[in-house]
Amino acid sequence: DAMVIQNPRYQVTQFGKPVTLSCSQTLNHNVMYWYQQKSSQAPKLLFHYYDKDFNNEADTPDNFQSRRPNTSFCFLDIRSPGLGDAAMYLCATSRAGTSYEQYFGPGTRLTVT
Amino acid sequence: DAKTTQPPSMDCAEGRAANLPCNHSTISGNEYVYWYRQIHSQGPQYIIHGLKNNETNEMASLIITEDRKSSTLILPHATLRDTAVYYCIVRVDAGGTSYGKLTFGQGTILTVHP
Repeated sequence: DAMVIQNPRYQVTQFGKPVTLSCSQTLNHNVMYWYQQKSSQAPKLLFHYYDKDFNNEADTPDNFQSRRPNTSFCFLDIRSPGLGDAAMYLCATSRAGTSYEQYFGPGTRLTVT
Repeated sequence: DAKTTQPPSMDCAEGRAANLPCNHSTISGNEYVYWYRQIHSQGPQYIIHGLKNNETNEMASLIITEDRKSSTLILPHATLRDTAVYYCIVRVDAGGTSYGKLTFGQGTILTVHP
């Protein structure tokens, strides 16, 4: 009965090689979020989708992009990963107009070599 | 955005109540207080939220002071599995739509020991 699924759980990529992380949800929530969490730090919001509307945080690097082809799926694309992009990437969902609580996936840990 | 302040770490004996404080002195009248926790190597988990009144659910209780400048999360009978980072967050409305973005602070590392 997984609700927010992230694949893969662990991803290794090479410096500068594009990588895509995926998130899917079975909750039919209309809002999806991507967070970056570096070691020993708090999660930091990168961007979110409200339905098909994309909302970027002001300090999110251009190197990070996202796609949401349908309600259930959302992708995080890192065009040219640097060593500083090694982190846990967390996907979350929420339903607008309810209690606003967010449901998080288990995360994908990205290693850049 | 209202800023929150939490102690960096706390200890609690198993079976005892864990009381986690949070200061949010600049909170606005329509901002909610949310609590999440993150167990090591997992995604954050929603615990509870409140606006003015005290709240209780199966996981915890939330006590908000009358002036709303601080709150306390209470885990009534802490277990070893409650060892986690606990985040107190004031919800920010995202451009007037009916959902909120979350800005995580550093949180409190709660260690429950036998």
